[in-house]
Amino acid sequence: GENVEQHPSTLSVQEGDSAVIKCTYSDSASNYFPWYKQELGKRPQLIIDIRSNVGEKKDQRIAVTLNKTAKHFSLHITETQPEDSAVYFCAASRGRDDKIIFGKGTRLHILP
Amino acid sequence: DVKVTQSSRYLVKRTGEKVFLECVQDMDHENMFWYRQDPGLGLRLIYFSYDVKMKEKGDIPEGYSVSREKKERFSLILESASTNQTSMYLCASSLSGPSADTQYFGPGTRLTVL
Repeated sequence: GENVEQHPSTLSVQEGDSAVIKCTYSDSASNYFPWYKQELGKRPQLIIDIRSNVGEKKDQRIAVTLNKTAKHFSLHITETQPEDSAVYFCAASRGRDDKIIFGKGTRLHILP
Repeated sequence: DVKVTQSSRYLVKRTGEKVFLECVQDMDHENMFWYRQDPGLGLRLIYFSYDVKMKEKGDIPEGYSVSREKKERFSLILESASTNQTSMYLCASSLSGPSADTQYFGPGTRLTVL
């Protein structure tokens, strides 16, 4: 069945450095790739998404890249800040009322 | 602003009890989802619904059922709760359309089965 692998499971970076989280997916029909952030005790919230017709998307300090040939996509956070500490989930979907398959999550720690 | 609410933040039940978890969204979303979240396992889909009275099994439907009698409400039912159903349960909703869209999550219900 469809599968989304996410690495690493835990990531610690110094404040101000960059963080990269990588995901691979198995279903070549997937065309929608969202990223969710879940702060401690809070609900997951969408932070950025990318569709298969583009290779990169950026929103301030956050960027996502997609390589459809290799079936992998990545989240890049630059100039990390303490409020970036959270669990991040990648996901993939074929779209049109289809379910979204989530990765297992990455716990990001921003070190002072 | 989308609002997804869940009936309880914390719930403690005994083994064998029937448990109802309610989710309500106020944005007229067609799609609704139930997930459980466990450490190291991420978000796993239990059931989803893309219309009233419609339901589809997710990845882990065993031991659960759902009900969608009204568009805004999606209920998760544990017919006979067991200790391995102790978990955080998250509801979500999204718009229907030609492509997938943002899922909006509720605050979650932490269920403990004793």
